[in-house]
Amino acid sequence: GENVEQHPSTLSVQEGDSAVIKCTYSDSASNYFPWYKQELGKRPQLIIDIRSNVGEKKDQRIAVTLNKTAKHFSLHITETQPEDSAVYFCAASGATDSWGKLQFGAGTQVVVTP
Amino acid sequence: DGGITQSPKYLFRKEGQNVTLSCEQNLNHDAMYWYRQDPGQGLRLIYYSQIVNDFQKGDIAEGYSVSREKKESFPLTVTSAQKNPTAFYLCASRPIIGGELFFGEGSRLTVL
Repeated sequence: GENVEQHPSTLSVQEGDSAVIKCTYSDSASNYFPWYKQELGKRPQLIIDIRSNVGEKKDQRIAVTLNKTAKHFSLHITETQPEDSAVYFCAASGATDSWGKLQFGAGTQVVVTP
Repeated sequence: DGGITQSPKYLFRKEGQNVTLSCEQNLNHDAMYWYRQDPGQGLRLIYYSQIVNDFQKGDIAEGYSVSREKKESFPLTVTSAQKNPTAFYLCASRPIIGGELFFGEGSRLTVL
């Protein structure tokens, strides 16, 4: 099955700086890669996703890049703000497990200091 | 409002007791999931169901059971066989064609 590794586990950034979180996956047939944000005590919520036929996707201050050859994808947050502080999870959908199953990374605790 | 409702939000139980966590969705999603969240371990899949009356084991199914008698409902039972049941449990659902996974607010189970 799919295995997803996420780094770093914690990330502290100064407000206004950029944050980058990286994930690697094992199943070369995986084709869907979402990123979720979970604020303290709340449910995870989708912030951006990318499919394997696209190399990069942007949504305002958030971008995701995908390198299928190297089997890794990254989340980039620019001009960080205190409200970006949360746990971020990457995930991958292993094609061999059908559309149903998402494998999550262990999460990255992002702290944005004013 | 469409969404996923989990109950109870907090639950305390004595060791050796079975407990059932409720999950109801009105999003008309075909697929439903149960994840367990522990600090530093991300979200681990317990069980998932793609259609009514059918479900599959996830990565950590031992000590858990589920049922899917209705499209809207996917309850999770944490049995006494689960060695370390204290955790945060998240239910989620997704349309059959794929796309965004929607999560409930979660249920925090503490076994004393």
